[in-house]
Amino acid sequence: QSVLTQPPSASGTPGQRVTISCSGSSSNIGSNTVNWYQQLPGTAPKPLIYSNNQRPSGVPDRFSGSKSGTSASLAISGLQSEDEADFYCAAWDDSLSGYVFGTGTKVTVL
Amino acid sequence: EVQLLESGGGLVQPGGSLRISCAASGFTFSSYAMSWVRQAPGKGLEWVSASGGGGSTYYADSVKGRFTISRDNSKNTLSLQMSSLRAEDTAVYYCAKNFASRSMGGSWGQGTLVTVSS
Repeated sequence: QSVLTQPPSASGTPGQRVTISCSGSSSNIGSNTVNWYQQLPGTAPKPLIYSNNQRPSGVPDRFSGSKSGTSASLAISGLQSEDEADFYCAAWDDSLSGYVFGTGTKVTVL
Repeated sequence: EVQLLESGGGLVQPGGSLRISCAASGFTFSSYAMSWVRQAPGKGLEWVSASGGGGSTYYADSVKGRFTISRDNSKNTLSLQMSSLRAEDTAVYYCAKNFASRSMGGSWGQGTLVTVSS
């Protein structure tokens, strides 16, 4: 059961900037860091952002993350065709004593 | 290079049991918390269970009392014993290594498919 809310879809043309929101509560995003994952069709999730705004080695700086209060955002600038994928946010939830994922957002490059 | 290799998936009847494992390499396994995350066909990601480096364990409500996570730090192996399986447990199960405390998913395995069906 997803506790973090994301828009089901987002789209843009090549070169545009796309933003995905992730809404939670005080027990998860409000008190813990947020990670983002990219999942290409038929593959395992790939870590994209950790600790709200840090990029793992090898992730292009076109991807950026931010957090404010009980919400977080992932921005993709200079959208490319290979960015078509599903994107998920996740955070630890103090009330549940477990991780919670977002509902997922499918990004389409028009 | 971090490598996580899941195994043990397969077809099991409702009410049955199955044990899946994850062989880890390329990092100090005992120093990292590990998680199992599943994805039902056509659905989103769902966290299932986590094992802290110090032995603490955590479970999603949907599997509490039915699944047991364990780790063997001497063999760099993470396992998930699943019992009383239901059709809704059908999913690809991924093993994932933490970035840091309370920050999961720094590395992922390729997944193993568990199908619960008669």
